[in-house]
Amino acid sequence: EAQVTQNPRYLITVTGKKLTVTCSQNMNHEYMSWYRQDPGLGLRQIYYSMNVEVTDKGDVPEGYKVSRKEKRNFPLILESPSPNQTSLYFCASRRTPTTNQPQHFGDGTRLSIL
Amino acid sequence: AQTVTQSQPEMSVQEAETVTLSCTYDTSESDYYLFWYKQPPSRQMILVIRQEAYKQQNATENRFSVNFQKAAKSFSLKISDSQLGDAAMYFCAYRSALGGNRDDKIIFGKGTRLHILP
Repeated sequence: EAQVTQNPRYLITVTGKKLTVTCSQNMNHEYMSWYRQDPGLGLRQIYYSMNVEVTDKGDVPEGYKVSRKEKRNFPLILESPSPNQTSLYFCASRRTPTTNQPQHFGDGTRLSIL
Repeated sequence: AQTVTQSQPEMSVQEAETVTLSCTYDTSESDYYLFWYKQPPSRQMILVIRQEAYKQQNATENRFSVNFQKAAKSFSLKISDSQLGDAAMYFCAYRSALGGNRDDKIIFGKGTRLHILP
């Protein structure tokens, strides 16, 4: 089954404790991206990757890092989480950056930073 | 930069009735895609319907249809015969189709929460 898998689904942690949210897709997609969703703001892009070893900042990259060492994985790293990063996070992928095919989303990760 | 505006933060509709969710967007591009996504309480992002800007015909998917007015930059979603399972947050979204070496990211509106009244 084609899917984008995020882990964990939920995480409560404390300020400053490094964490990683994993994202994996099994569709051989080139393009992957991370969004955060906040009430009243919709979804905003954090980082994206057009292919292996190619990553770039989205609209709200501050406080986040990503890596794309393999095509299938695109982890989101919070080196020193802060309460303003409490949010719902989505990983997404599509076949290529320019495809007209729809984007696939993971099921979301709810992060709470105390 | 492109923007997507959903002017209705919340709406309610009686079960079995028809409801229309509004969306307007701003772009100087001529080729793009428009989407409606549904986010139920499970938080999944589910693609409801998609429209390619070069197509004049409005997209339809069962009870869901759009009214795409390219000149007015309007992309409303009509849900016919509303069902309890339609209750969700709905996001309108835009994506450029220019391609090339750039991020044709999806730009989302802020969402409309739809309540279905039994």
